[in-house]
Amino acid sequence: GEDVEQSLFLSVREGDSSVINCTYTDSSSTYLYWYKQEPGAGLQLLTYIFSNMDMKQDQRLTVLLNKKDKHLSLRIADTQTGDSAIYFCAESLRSNDYKLSFGAGTTVTVRA
Amino acid sequence: ETGVTQSPTHLIKTRGQQVTLRCSSQSGHNTVSWYQQALGQGPQFIFQYYREEENGRGNFPPRFSGLQFPNYSSELNVNALELDDSALYLCASRGDLLRETQYFGPGTRLLVL
Repeated sequence: GEDVEQSLFLSVREGDSSVINCTYTDSSSTYLYWYKQEPGAGLQLLTYIFSNMDMKQDQRLTVLLNKKDKHLSLRIADTQTGDSAIYFCAESLRSNDYKLSFGAGTTVTVRA
Repeated sequence: ETGVTQSPTHLIKTRGQQVTLRCSSQSGHNTVSWYQQALGQGPQFIFQYYREEENGRGNFPPRFSGLQFPNYSSELNVNALELDDSALYLCASRGDLLRETQYFGPGTRLLVL
């Protein structure tokens, strides 16, 4: 089946690193995504990782994938106030025509 | 900017009414998906269209229906609106390769009273 879980809240000081965690249960996931949603807005694709990779880095963003534990994390280096948003982890299943299954989202609050 | 637009941005309806939401995909994107995002939750997959045919559906009743047109526009129709239909409705488009990334529009916020 498909079930994506995330912690609901994260508070981080400006300039520190943020780490957002996600677990998924379907081992056949093909792609795993991180989306950002600011208040009143749609979803912005931040980054994604193919399920045969362990790590992907893109500027301030680092994605780590532990396939054994079905654990995905997103690290944001040097967190800024503009990073305050809801972050969604999503999995894409080849067996399901690549439809996206989302977690409930992690609300990240950056404090000065 | 994702190149995906939606209209209207906000809408208020009453129980029992019908609503049509619209999406304009990126040019060349033949696949469009619709998602419902209730307050405080992640988006839930409603259905997907490829070249004007529905080719995947989530756990939504038949009163949720859609259309896709050759000009990369699409519609989501909801009949007999219920209070629980209040949500942000998102459309997403992608190219023909199944593994391609989906790009989301800004959404339409529907309130059912």
